[in-house]
Amino acid sequence: AQSVTQPDIHITVSEGASLELRCNYSYGATPYLFWYVQSPGQGLQLLLKYFSGDTLVQGIKGFEAEFKRSQSSFNLRKPSVHWSDAAEYFCAVGASQAGTALIFGKGTTLSVSS
Amino acid sequence: GAVVSQHPSRVICKSGTSVKIECRSLDFQATTMFWYRQFPKQSLMLMATSNEGSKATYEQGVEKDKFLINHASLTLSTLTVTSAHPEDSSFYICSARDGRVGSYNEQFFGPGTRLTVL
Repeated sequence: AQSVTQPDIHITVSEGASLELRCNYSYGATPYLFWYVQSPGQGLQLLLKYFSGDTLVQGIKGFEAEFKRSQSSFNLRKPSVHWSDAAEYFCAVGASQAGTALIFGKGTTLSVSS
Repeated sequence: GAVVSQHPSRVICKSGTSVKIECRSLDFQATTMFWYRQFPKQSLMLMATSNEGSKATYEQGVEKDKFLINHASLTLSTLTVTSAHPEDSSFYICSARDGRVGSYNEQFFGPGTRLTVL
C-alpha cells in the first residue's frame, strides 16, 4: 500500500539549533517527493521537491532534504531554526503520471523555544 | 511560480444550505485539479480528482451527491457542499496540476477555504 509516515507528531527545538524531520514512504512506482509547510489557518507552501538527480535538494527558507532510496526516506533538515519556522510540516509522495494526487503524511508540528 | 486561488477564504453558513467553493489556476492551465479536506490538527485527505470536461473521480467514502465537483474550464473547478451540516465543517484545499510538458506532475495548492456550518 502507498503511504507516507512521519514518525514524529510534535517536535520542539531551541531557536538556533538544528532540525531534522523524518519522512518514510512506501510507494510502488518511482516516487516524487515533497515537503510542505502550513501555518495555522493557512494553505500549503512548498518547501522543496525531489523528482530526480542529486539526492540532496535545497529548498526555500534554508531547508534541505535528502532522498535515500535504500531507506525509503526523505528527511527534512535545517541547520539553524528560527522562531518563524514554527508550523506544521507535511511530507508527501506522488507519481509522475498525470492526474495522480499526492499522498500526505500526518504531519509534524514544530515548536521553537527561545 | 504558478498561483492557485480559492474563493471564499472563509464561509459560515446555516445547516441545510449549500456552499460553493471556487478553485482557480491564475497563470496556467490545469487539466487536473484535486480537492482535499483537512480536519483540525490532521493531514490532508483526498476527496476527489477533477478532470476538465469529465466527471470527477471520488475517493472511497466521499459522497458524490453531497460534494458536487465541476471542472468546467482549464482554470476553474468548483466544489459545492450541498445541504451542509455541522460535520461538514472543515478546511477545504484544492490543488491544480500544471499540465505543461515537463512539469513533472507538480501540483500547486490554493490557500484553502474554512467552512463552518452552524
